[in-house]
Amino acid sequence: DQQVKQNSPSLSVQEGRISILNCDYTNSMFDYFLWYKKYPAEGPTFLISISSIKDKNEDGRFTVFLNKSAKHLSLHIVPSQPGDSAVYFCAASPNYGQNFVFGPGTRLSVLP
Amino acid sequence: EAQVTQNPRYLITVTGKKLTVTCSQNMNHEYMSWYRQDPGLGLRQIYYSMNVEVTDKGDVPEGYKVSRKEKRNFPLILESPSPNQTSLYFCASSPTPGLGLYEQYFGPGTRLTVT
Repeated sequence: DQQVKQNSPSLSVQEGRISILNCDYTNSMFDYFLWYKKYPAEGPTFLISISSIKDKNEDGRFTVFLNKSAKHLSLHIVPSQPGDSAVYFCAASPNYGQNFVFGPGTRLSVLP
Repeated sequence: EAQVTQNPRYLITVTGKKLTVTCSQNMNHEYMSWYRQDPGLGLRQIYYSMNVEVTDKGDVPEGYKVSRKEKRNFPLILESPSPNQTSLYFCASSPTPGLGLYEQYFGPGTRLTVT
């Protein structure tokens, strides 16, 4: 049973609009969450993170929101750009970074 | 340039023939980890190492071995590969967990096919 779920395998958004990628988790022991972006034929690259003691973290065009009671986090990209087209992975750790559990990923396509 | 390197990038082998995938990082990171990526499953952690001579199992360690004799290297060993180990493998490293530095730097991946 997957502990980290990304229920949308793919998402298409128009350039300039907001992209919202969602992630749900089942393990209440997760205390740290990260988002990674992956282009084809490359390794994932870190995007943004959030600790379980916060409910929002912002970095430029990227904002991550955490709703602990709903066990849900989301990544907002505003405005979306064609270069944002990639697969986005949500990841969670139950022990502040020793182990990580990744979701299956969401493929984002930003259309010009 | 700060990076994680993996070799080989592509490998086709036969069942039962021992192989090693090397991983090296030049960032003096304490933590290193191996993942496999399979369609619909995301990345699953195989083994990780908190420091030299300290390794631990991740979620899917069966059929794999690792060693951490030096800080910069973390090879993944498949003693007797089987077709269900056909996958895309990623090595990653990060500074010591617990210091608020959790982002991992990933290598470019190794695509392994076992026939």
